[in-house]
Amino acid sequence: QKEVEQDPGPLSVPEGAIVSLNCTYSNSAFQYFMWYRQYSRKGPELLMYTYSSGNKEDGRFTAQVDKSSKYISLFIRDSQPSDSATYLCAMTKNSGYALNFGKGTSLLVTP
Amino acid sequence: NAGVMQNPRHLVRRRGQEARLRCSPMKGHSHVYWYRQLPEEGLKFMVYLQKENIIDESGMPKERFSAEFPKEGPSILRIQQVVRGDSAAYFCASSPVPTSGVDTQYFGPGTRLTVL
Repeated sequence: QKEVEQDPGPLSVPEGAIVSLNCTYSNSAFQYFMWYRQYSRKGPELLMYTYSSGNKEDGRFTAQVDKSSKYISLFIRDSQPSDSATYLCAMTKNSGYALNFGKGTSLLVTP
Repeated sequence: NAGVMQNPRHLVRRRGQEARLRCSPMKGHSHVYWYRQLPEEGLKFMVYLQKENIIDESGMPKERFSAEFPKEGPSILRIQQVVRGDSAAYFCASSPVPTSGVDTQYFGPGTRLTVL
């Protein structure tokens, strides 16, 4: 079993839709959870990170962590065509540095 | 502010040649990480370096791969005697000295290595 599982998609939604992206993980030692956005042929760009369980909101983006279920989510409200990219979840242990990534979910927001 | 810089962006090598990938961290960052992204796979941690020190190379293949981060100049990921399976995107990330429990890593654009 991989430590971090992420559905690769692709996920196609109309502009303005609410998008839900998810990852599950198996290592209960993970404490920090990140979401990166990666445009085609570019490097990953950090969107948000959260520590332990709970919610964090930043503009149109909301990250949720449920450690009891080993499940994290990223919600995108009012999705825009410019949100079309691959979204990577990543996580690490406390005081960790080696990020463990999911394979990424490809999102397409159509006008 | 310049972000993490990597060069070359694209590198083509024939089997058996050497590949050298360079990474300049963001200004003020003293920690460098290398990751590899194979086709259809997620990014995999390779090595963590600070200036003149390899902190953790547990993700590096045991042979042919080496990394350094000298006192002056960029970090170098070196792959000797490349094989077709080395074809991948190699990403460098950098972080400042962490002030909380985790290093916030900022990624460069990557070097796409193709081995013919």
